[in-house]
Amino acid sequence: EAQVTQNPRYLITVTGKKLTVTCSQNMNHEYMSWYRQDPGLGLRQIYYSMNVEVTDKGDVPEGYKVSRKEKRNFPLILESPSPNQTSLYFCASSLGLAGGTEETQYFGPGTRLLVL
Amino acid sequence: AQSVTQLDSQVPVFEEAPVELRCNYSSSVSVYLFWYVQYPNQGLQLLLKYLSGSTLVKGINGFEAEFNKSQTSFHLRKPSVHISDTAEYFCAVSDRYDYKLSFGAGTTVTVRA
Repeated sequence: EAQVTQNPRYLITVTGKKLTVTCSQNMNHEYMSWYRQDPGLGLRQIYYSMNVEVTDKGDVPEGYKVSRKEKRNFPLILESPSPNQTSLYFCASSLGLAGGTEETQYFGPGTRLLVL
Repeated sequence: AQSVTQLDSQVPVFEEAPVELRCNYSSSVSVYLFWYVQYPNQGLQLLLKYLSGSTLVKGINGFEAEFNKSQTSFHLRKPSVHISDTAEYFCAVSDRYDYKLSFGAGTTVTVRA
């Protein structure tokens, strides 16, 4: 089954304790992206990746890191989480042809993060 | 990057009534336009998209949207809603040849019997 998986689905942590949220897709997609969803703000793009070893900042990259060492995986790293990073996080992937984001994005189920 | 405005944050509607969700974006340069739906406790899934060609786009579940370049709008419509259409709907825009995708704040549709 074609899908985007995220782990963990729920996470409670404390300020400053490094964490990683994993994202994996089995569709051989080139483009992958991380979003955070907050009430009243919709989804905001954190980072995106056009292919292996190619990443770039989205609209809200501060406090986050990503890496793309393999095509299927795109982990999101919070080196020192803070309470304002409490949010619902979504990973997404698409074919991402050279023209840009015209391809449909497939979203993971979300990771709900609470930073105390 | 684009700025996307969804003009209604909440839309209550009775079953079998029509619904329109409004979306405006900031720039008139060539764009790709999308509507995504998020059912409770789920991820987002694509309803429809406009890339080029006909300005009236038909999507899944009876939804359609019309691209209006002069008004920089991409409003979503359904002539008769069902209880199962209760969800949050997001408009998204991307400039062509840009890898960023900008979302609106979302419109919550609540369908009542």
